[in-house]
Amino acid sequence: GQNIDQPTEMTATEGAIVQINCTYQTSGFNGLFWYQQHAGEAPTFLSYNVLDGLEEKGRFSSFLSRSKGYSYLLLKELQMKDSASYLCAPSRDDKIIFGKGTRLHILP
Amino acid sequence: DAGVTQSPTHLIKTRGQHVTLRCSPISGHKSVSWYQQVLGQGPQFIFQYYEKEERGRGNFPDRFSARQFPNYSSELNVNALLLGDSALYLCASSLGDTQYFGPGTRLTVL
Repeated sequence: GQNIDQPTEMTATEGAIVQINCTYQTSGFNGLFWYQQHAGEAPTFLSYNVLDGLEEKGRFSSFLSRSKGYSYLLLKELQMKDSASYLCAPSRDDKIIFGKGTRLHILP
Repeated sequence: DAGVTQSPTHLIKTRGQHVTLRCSPISGHKSVSWYQQVLGQGPQFIFQYYEKEERGRGNFPDRFSARQFPNYSSELNVNALLLGDSALYLCASSLGDTQYFGPGTRLTVL
């Protein structure tokens, strides 16, 4: 199965912290990607988790629990430019399976 | 360094026509994947090619076909276009696990 579940929309305030959760059921799981996509643009790579645990990259961090089929993306010190869709994407073999994405709205 | 490039940027076709979309990967990348993204959805996997061989195919009808050339560029062909084929078509290239996306081709079928 390739069920990917993440919230459709979230709203947060500039300067705050937001956590976007994702659960998945993917057979032959290799790792999990997070991509950012601004409206009308192509997805851009944010992170790739293969092992359990937290990986931090600047204001963005991503967590993975393989046994629970769970990941989250944590965004700190939110900026207006962070308004975008965030795509949770588990990978199987060399194929990336995308969820519908979470549209994040940032309020000033 | 140039990223993934796609052409054309936008395209308008009518039902029943065919279309060819083109993609040039990042230099050194040997794998190219194609995705279809309709409004409000995540990208849906269509094809993956590696070293000119098809490595995977998504749940798309036979009207969709693709190929990869010796220079690793790729074409996606869609025959007998339907209104529902209107979407953003994304090409992504990869060297290892991470795929890097081009700007996409916006196809509108009237």
